[in-house]
Amino acid sequence: ETGVTQTPRHLVMGMTNKKSLKCEQHLGHNAMYWYKQSAKKPLELMFVYNFKEQTENNSVPSRFSPECPNSSHLFLHLHTLQPEDSALYLCASSQERGGGDTGELFFGEGSRLTVL
Amino acid sequence: SQQGEEDPQALSIQEGENATMNCSYKTSINNLQWYRQNSGRGLVHLILIRSNEREKHSGRLRVTLDTSKKSSSLLITASRAADTASYFCATVVPNTGTASKLTFGTGTRLQVTL
Repeated sequence: ETGVTQTPRHLVMGMTNKKSLKCEQHLGHNAMYWYKQSAKKPLELMFVYNFKEQTENNSVPSRFSPECPNSSHLFLHLHTLQPEDSALYLCASSQERGGGDTGELFFGEGSRLTVL
Repeated sequence: SQQGEEDPQALSIQEGENATMNCSYKTSINNLQWYRQNSGRGLVHLILIRSNEREKHSGRLRVTLDTSKKSSSLLITASRAADTASYFCATVVPNTGTASKLTFGTGTRLQVTL
């Protein structure tokens, strides 16, 4: 069983669809993250949740809506997306110790999203 | 502007050779991490070096950190075809929040040929 599981691995959706990406971590971590990876661009941090509370929203458009019902699960709800939103969406988790000293992140395999 | 930038963008070597990748960053950091990503997959953590450390080893990996130059290097010795991947550096900057964030560079694509 992998530490961080993302579903679905691939998703194709139209601009008017509503879909959700799911992430589950089995590592007992207290922080979870959504990153966006587009071709030839650095990984972009989208959201950070620590103990289920959102601590970072990196100016992400409202068509992306995160949800963190507990420390093990993280969702990214997608609505009215644009073709430029096509990317690999990566979920990660970590054990935060506070004081700004983040340790390693554990990533899922990603959800490849294509918006038509 | 991005915090970390890797150099070179792409590197092609033969199996058995050493591969060196560099990372430069702009602001003070708590630690710097290196990750590896196989094509279309998630990132895998390789090694973490703290701001008060200068060098760290893990198997065939050697990482150095020069905080005065705001740079780090990753050396992979005796490379193998299986080392073919993209390698990213990520920096953790000090903050007072409850959860920190890593800022990634654009990565170095390493190709190891037989």
